[in-house]
Amino acid sequence: GQQLNQSPQSMFIQEGEDVSMNCTSSSIFNTWLWYKQDPGEGPVLLIALYKAGELTSNGRLTAQFGITRKDSFLNISASIPSDVGIYFCAGQLPTSGTYKYIFGTGTRLKVLA
Amino acid sequence: GAVVSQHPSRVICKSGTSVKIECRSLDFQATTMFWYRQFPKQSLMLMATSNEGSKATYEQGVEKDKFLINHASLTLSTLTVTSAHPEDSSFYICSARVLGTNEKLFFGSGTQLSVL
Repeated sequence: GQQLNQSPQSMFIQEGEDVSMNCTSSSIFNTWLWYKQDPGEGPVLLIALYKAGELTSNGRLTAQFGITRKDSFLNISASIPSDVGIYFCAGQLPTSGTYKYIFGTGTRLKVLA
Repeated sequence: GAVVSQHPSRVICKSGTSVKIECRSLDFQATTMFWYRQFPKQSLMLMATSNEGSKATYEQGVEKDKFLINHASLTLSTLTVTSAHPEDSSFYICSARVLGTNEKLFFGSGTQLSVL
């Protein structure tokens, strides 16, 4: 199936550090969604983006919809231990009538106290 | 956010039996739901799009006779894994589109299927 390229694949950081991750594609997307997934749970929506260039924050999280509509970025500032988990981007294809979302390969974040 | 309830959270079954997983939108109507499959340490792979009142649309490589999807009401979609085999063991997750000015996608808590 289709997947978005997401990087980095994993990262270990110290508590208090900032984190950046991104998703890129050769396709254009209408919508970008960012999720966090804990083990054995479903993904939880963090931020939603709808327009090229849009910058949206949710607490310590900030995400941007790339100008080309082919990429998106998520930043976490001042990381804390509970930020540990897997982060996924999801892009909605503009293909008429399908509405489906394609997921990134995930970024596994580990925060060292 | 909108609440999507998925049951059961975990099921163990014998090879050859069928398993039904339910996905309910609790506080909104969902004309479209999606079913994903996730293997350990991997991303979510879209299996099919479930549309209320019509046949599901399956992704390439997904056997529609193996994974039966029914979306008979605006709040319930079901996935039935028929004649399950060990290779069907996986984490299955449903999601629902929440329509509005800005559409969002909310997920259920997932179902861990183990086929013995």
